[in-house]
This record gives sequence, structure tokens and C-alpha cells, in this order.
Amino acid sequence: AQKITQTQPGMFVQEKEAVTLDCTYDTSDPSYGLFWYKQPSSGEMIFLIYQGSYDQQNATEGRYSLNFQKARKSANLVISASQLGDSAMYFCAMREGGGSNYKLTFGKGTLLTVNP
Amino acid sequence: EPEVTQTPSHQVTQMGQEVILRCVPISNHLYFYWYRQILGQKVEFLVSFYNNEISEKSEIFDDQFSVERPDGSNFTLKIRSTKLEDSAMYFCASSADRGVNEKLFFGSGTQLSVL
Repeated sequence: AQKITQTQPGMFVQEKEAVTLDCTYDTSDPSYGLFWYKQPSSGEMIFLIYQGSYDQQNATEGRYSLNFQKARKSANLVISASQLGDSAMYFCAMREGGGSNYKLTFGKGTLLTVNP
Repeated sequence: EPEVTQTPSHQVTQMGQEVILRCVPISNHLYFYWYRQILGQKVEFLVSFYNNEISEKSEIFDDQFSVERPDGSNFTLKIRSTKLEDSAMYFCASSADRGVNEKLFFGSGTQLSVL
């Protein structure tokens, strides 16, 4: 079974609008961390936001927020007021302890295109 | 902000040749990783390294691959005899600790092309 599922291969959004990128995860470990990374066309991986499994509140970092629904095992990324520079590949990732030895596992990514 | 540095940014090699990809992790980090991303596919874990030994490796990380921390700053990935299917972007990453809340800092990657 996939650990991280991103069901949207591509998304389009109009500049200045908000967009939600979906991510669901699968783990039996009670302690885990969820991460979103941005990969622009230049290739580097840029950390955006983190949510811990025990965090009571949704994480926010500037225009990025994470809609964490633990019972549904979803951790959707919300980007508010989209900018042209937000056009990139976005990866959801999870870090588990225990048998996974804390390695970071990625989803397949969502390619976001922001239209002017 | 401190960053992970990878060299070279691009490497072209002939099939069967050895390549060494180099990384300088963030200086006070203790955990080091290599990931790869085949064009258009997801980012895949290769290996993690701590205290001068491999912590975990994936099934991709076969005997053709090795990692080394030859001095206090560099962290290298060696592919002994490259194959066409090794063509990918290779990312080095480091983290200060290994807890579930520790984010990985990634380098800009080395694009390896095997001809």
C-alpha cells in the first residue's frame, strides 16, 4: 500500500486565488510527521511546512497552511493568494519512527500551475 | 540560512563508469541521506547514514552503491558501474536529529545522465 497518496497529478489556479493540494497517508505508527516540499523547475527541494501527529492545531507558515484531519488521515496543503512563483511541483511526505527508521517517504507529487 | 551543497550540478557518464556524487551537509547535522528522483517520478529513498555507518538502505541501494563520509564535512555517494537506469536526479539531505518532527534539508541535486 502507498504510504503517501497525492491524487492530483496537476492543478491549475488563478493568480491571487487559494488552492488546496490533497494528501492522504497510511501509517499505524501513532507518532509521525507530515511535511510538504516545493520543487520548482530548477530542481531543488524546498521545505514548506510541517505537521506533527500530536499537534492539536493546524500548522501555518505565511501563505501556507496545512488542513490536518487525523481521523481521515489527510494533510492537505492550502496555499492562499497564489503567486506566479508558486508554480512548481509539490510533494507531501511522511516521517515515521519505529520500523521505518525515521526515513522520509514521498508521494508522487502535484504539479501546480498558477495562471496570470 | 545554512544549506546543503551538492557538486556537481550535472554529471554525464558512460555506462559502466564509476561516478562519485559529493555533498556537504549542514555543519552541525548528524544524519545524512541520499534520495533519487527519476524524471517525472517520485522522490525515492536510497540510504541513511549516521555515526559513520549506514542506518538503513532501500532495495535500490544494491552492491553498486556505496556511501562514505571521508572527512568531517563531505558525504559522498559512489556508483561503481553505472547503468542506464541510474540516470536520475540525486539529492543529498541532512537533519540535525532523526525524530519524526525533524525536517530534512535538501541540496539542489546532481542530475546524473548515463549514456
